[in-house]
Amino acid sequence: QVQLQESGPGLVKPSETLSLTCSVSGDSVTTGNYYWAWIRQPPEKGLEWIGNSYKSGSTNYNPSLESRVTTSLDTSKNRLSLRLTSVTAADTAVYYCARLANWGSSGAFEIWGQGTMVTVSS
Amino acid sequence: SSELTQDPAASVALGQTVRITCQGDSLRGYYASWYQQKPGQAPVLVTYGEKSRPSGIPDRFSGSSSGNTASLTITGAQAEDEADYYCHSRDNNGLKYVFGTGTKVTVL
Repeated sequence: QVQLQESGPGLVKPSETLSLTCSVSGDSVTTGNYYWAWIRQPPEKGLEWIGNSYKSGSTNYNPSLESRVTTSLDTSKNRLSLRLTSVTAADTAVYYCARLANWGSSGAFEIWGQGTMVTVSS
Repeated sequence: SSELTQDPAASVALGQTVRITCQGDSLRGYYASWYQQKPGQAPVLVTYGEKSRPSGIPDRFSGSSSGNTASLTITGAQAEDEADYYCHSRDNNGLKYVFGTGTKVTVL
């Protein structure tokens, strides 16, 4: 059974860099034809796709965040990482990692981590 | 702003049927996936592709699509189906991913 677990600081200061990791257990991040994604949800708001990483090293980002975001896979530690620079209060959200399966024409985020709350505040 | 639009809320009597919709131009070319999210929990995939469900999802959940509209139908709604529901698909250019605005379903 594949499980994802996010970790990282719960509080980040404005203008600093938010860094999160997502540990994957039960399977390798290089197995199969899966993308590994980050999604966030501000308090009382909807879901926002941040970006994907693939085992080849390729990435795909939300245009609204592309200038500030970097995602990557660490195959040696079987985990994915997220870096978001120059954060503001608008980046306060629950951050989820998820596995994106190549199902249907749009894919499907089939497995999710439990999420981690990140607050941007001085 | 989201390219996929959902009604903010819907209600259904216990045991009855409710259909929630997701509208967007990209849906003319791409299927939607649907997610259920209960308070304080991560979303759960309930349908994807043309009419598929992951294992473990009750068959009262079904997805469909027509033109620029994707639909999630809950047939015989149960109390535990009360949740927020989000659609997901690709953007109008087909290169990025986008979520719908979400629908809060109340079971009466």
